[in-house]
Amino acid sequence: GAVVSQHPSWVICKSGTSVKIECRSLDFQATTMFWYRQFPKQSLMLMATSNEGSKATYEQGVEKDKFLINHASLTLSTLTVTSAHPEDSSFYICSAWLVGETQYFGPGTRLLVL
Amino acid sequence: AQSVTQLDSHVSVSEGTPVLLRCNYSSSYSPSLFWYVQHPNKGLQLLLKYTSAATLVKGINGFEAEFKKSETSFHLTKPSAHMSDAAEYFCVVSNFGNEKLTFGTGTRLTIIP
Repeated sequence: GAVVSQHPSWVICKSGTSVKIECRSLDFQATTMFWYRQFPKQSLMLMATSNEGSKATYEQGVEKDKFLINHASLTLSTLTVTSAHPEDSSFYICSAWLVGETQYFGPGTRLLVL
Repeated sequence: AQSVTQLDSHVSVSEGTPVLLRCNYSSSYSPSLFWYVQHPNKGLQLLLKYTSAATLVKGINGFEAEFKKSETSFHLTKPSAHMSDAAEYFCVVSNFGNEKLTFGTGTRLTIIP
């Protein structure tokens, strides 16, 4: 099946710093990728839809200036959490949409902001 | 608009007994339905998907689900639970042709030895 990777798998940072998370589709091209956030013992909440070569579409309530998304190629999307604060600590999961099939999910990135 | 309701937040079964995880959906159009499994601190793995073909869908690891339009349900079953099935299970809906997924709240499956 299609494989999606994320890097890093976990990251700890100080409050006020920025963190970049990468999402790569390893064996297929994805014009559309998605970023989700999952709090402990909760479901996945869609944050934004990332489209290659264009601006991301953010869900209601998600701050686009805080969560910067770049989808510069057909196999890579990045999520940058700017000026991170403890409340941004969460599990971030990306997915890549294989047209005609479904979304394939990455293994997730656990972010802890101290 | 689309939504999905997982009727049980937690299910416990003994090893070797059947598993039933319940899911009801709401969709304005012909839906695509999925079940994903998530093991602790891991990403999501697709178990199976329904996309308007056969109503009984067979997935990986012995799981299957039946699409019942009249009941707007898509329950997940397995004849015999294994310890390795202990995980969080998510029922997911999308409108056919629309890649945007809507997740249920999840059901935590515990297997009793």
